[in-house]
Amino acid sequence: NAGVTQTPKFRILKIGQSMTLQCTQDMNHNYMYWYRQDPGMGLKLIYYSVGAGITDKGEVPNGYNVSRSTTEDFPLRLELAAPSQTSVYFCASSQQGAGETQYFGPGTRLLVL
Amino acid sequence: LAKTTQPISMDSYEGQEVNITCSHNNIATNDYITWYQQFPSQGPRFIIQGYKTKVTNEVASLFIPADRKSSTLSLPRVSLSDTAVYYCLVGDWNQGGKLIFGQGTELSVKP
Repeated sequence: NAGVTQTPKFRILKIGQSMTLQCTQDMNHNYMYWYRQDPGMGLKLIYYSVGAGITDKGEVPNGYNVSRSTTEDFPLRLELAAPSQTSVYFCASSQQGAGETQYFGPGTRLLVL
Repeated sequence: LAKTTQPISMDSYEGQEVNITCSHNNIATNDYITWYQQFPSQGPRFIIQGYKTKVTNEVASLFIPADRKSSTLSLPRVSLSDTAVYYCLVGDWNQGGKLIFGQGTELSVKP
């Protein structure tokens, strides 16, 4: 049981490039989340999903897209990367709603230059 | 969404008990109170959750007064490895994904 896994661990992008951050969970959780964390700050919710085929925006969705074709996977797509997207990205999952225990992945550190 | 307020930082020494208080004046009837711990370069980790009165597990205790407008996370006999950021969150299991992380409390434990 690996929990929540994320790839890559670290990535450098040039301005305008695109990439997909991968997130997989093996706990059969219904809910999955993407957060970003800027230095010295708390986590901000980007997008979340309550089940396969269903996604919704969080606090800071601009510049990102998500999809949820399976229960296990919840990729985050960055289109036209900007320096403001330099951050650490965390994926999380929970069985029910966000008020229940969320299990976090190790994070992806992204640097946009 | 209930907003939470907690101290930005706290200092302690090894072996002391640490109490971190979180204010959540607008907590709703169905909201639970959850605390997470985050070490540098890691994702947050669940510590404890409660609805009212007192909850205790092997890591911490959570005290919630009757009006539920605040809560206190108590860490007994802290060690250097308890140095981390602690987040207080308030949320309803049925409110989907909209759970707000604040800035958290940065706890520094000194020898």
